[in-house]
Amino acid sequence: GQNIDQPTEMTATEGAIVQINCTYQTSGFNGLFWYQQHAGEAPTFLSYNVLDGLEEKGRFSSFLSRSKGYSYLLLKELQMKDSASYLCAALNTGGFKTIFGAGTRLFVKA
Amino acid sequence: EAGVAQSPRYKIIEKRQSVAFWCNPISGHATLYWYQQILGQGPKLLIQFQNNGVVDDSQLPKDRFSAERLKGVDSTLKIQPAKLEDSAVYLCASSLGAGGLKEQYFGPGTRLTVT
Repeated sequence: GQNIDQPTEMTATEGAIVQINCTYQTSGFNGLFWYQQHAGEAPTFLSYNVLDGLEEKGRFSSFLSRSKGYSYLLLKELQMKDSASYLCAALNTGGFKTIFGAGTRLFVKA
Repeated sequence: EAGVAQSPRYKIIEKRQSVAFWCNPISGHATLYWYQQILGQGPKLLIQFQNNGVVDDSQLPKDRFSAERLKGVDSTLKIQPAKLEDSAVYLCASSLGAGGLKEQYFGPGTRLTVT
């Protein structure tokens, strides 16, 4: 079957570092996306990993392990505006379908 | 560049009524997606178009939902008749590449309430 698992909620403090984990099972695998979605708004693209390893983009980094079916999003120097849902999405090889997880709601407190 | 446009932004209808949503993707984007996002859940793909052909509609409830993408540009999604469980945000997205290999750009969504 196809499944994406990520924690429902996380809370972190402004200025800290937080890691949001995602595990996936898909029919074939062609890459892993992370999207950010603020309440009441549309998702916006953060990162795309297709090879194993860490990719850094400013305060945000994303890691992928294809053998473990595992990814994480790392947010550094947290800001209040980072309070949002973070969606993990896997791209399968059958029809190149993107499957989204339910999202992790991150609350950043002062 | 202009983003993905959707209309209407909000719609309230009674069950068994019909409703239609419109989407205009980013110019030049070949792939267009319609998602249903129920509160507290991730987006669920309803249908994916490559130009004006359907790539995947396996999760589209075809007894009540229909979608078309004429001339490979604009798209409409229709629900007829609506049920209470159709209350959700309907997101349209587009991407430059084929097969989902590029990031998707989402429109603001249409929030549908079925009473």
